[in-house]
Amino acid sequence: GAVVSQHPSRVICKSGTSVKIECRSLDFQATTMFWYRQFPKQSLMLMATSNEGSKATYEQGVEKDKFLINHASLTLSTLTVTSAHPEDSSFYICSARGDRSLANYGYTFGSGTRLTVV
Amino acid sequence: AQKITQTQPGMFVQEKEAVTLDCTYDTSDQSYGLFWYKQPSSGEMIFLIYQGSYDEQNATEGRYSLNFQKARKSANLVISASQLGDSAMYFCAKDSGGYQKVTFGIGTKLQVIP
Repeated sequence: GAVVSQHPSRVICKSGTSVKIECRSLDFQATTMFWYRQFPKQSLMLMATSNEGSKATYEQGVEKDKFLINHASLTLSTLTVTSAHPEDSSFYICSARGDRSLANYGYTFGSGTRLTVV
Repeated sequence: AQKITQTQPGMFVQEKEAVTLDCTYDTSDQSYGLFWYKQPSSGEMIFLIYQGSYDEQNATEGRYSLNFQKARKSANLVISASQLGDSAMYFCAKDSGGYQKVTFGIGTKLQVIP
């Protein structure tokens, strides 16, 4: 149990276009989802926390108009990188929070999306 | 702010030997959880082990054990009988009080030598 599917795994897009990344909890309800960004050889940095049915809470320094997060249901959250630029190229990974009794003690990660903006 | 410190950027261990990866944290939370994750080159985050702040016994999961010293705010990961497949990045992490967001350390790159 406790599986999170993240798509796409890799995406290459042109500068100025938008990219949508989906994070879906397959076998549990995730009231909260977290979006992280990871640059090469660095740690995971939290970008935002999204709760189902409400606006996302962004970490300091993260542009909310650039990184649009939608958490419309208990099983799906999306991150849209708008007007992407080469500096947005990174590894994006989501984490869904479920009950502590689930596997992974409540936090299950997607497999990540490697975004390259050319 | 939460701070997770991993002071070993890289570690080498001989196959079949044990290795300890260090982690200290800074917190004023009374209740919290500590995690270790493995990240291979593919990028996925693999959950290894969890320790609750009120757990009196150190957590163990197969070859992984967590040396939890609450007063020292230390949560070191011990991997016994290292295998070649253990070569990866290892991240220590902590959730804030109230089961909220998870903060990560900068990671330790472990390389297992045959």
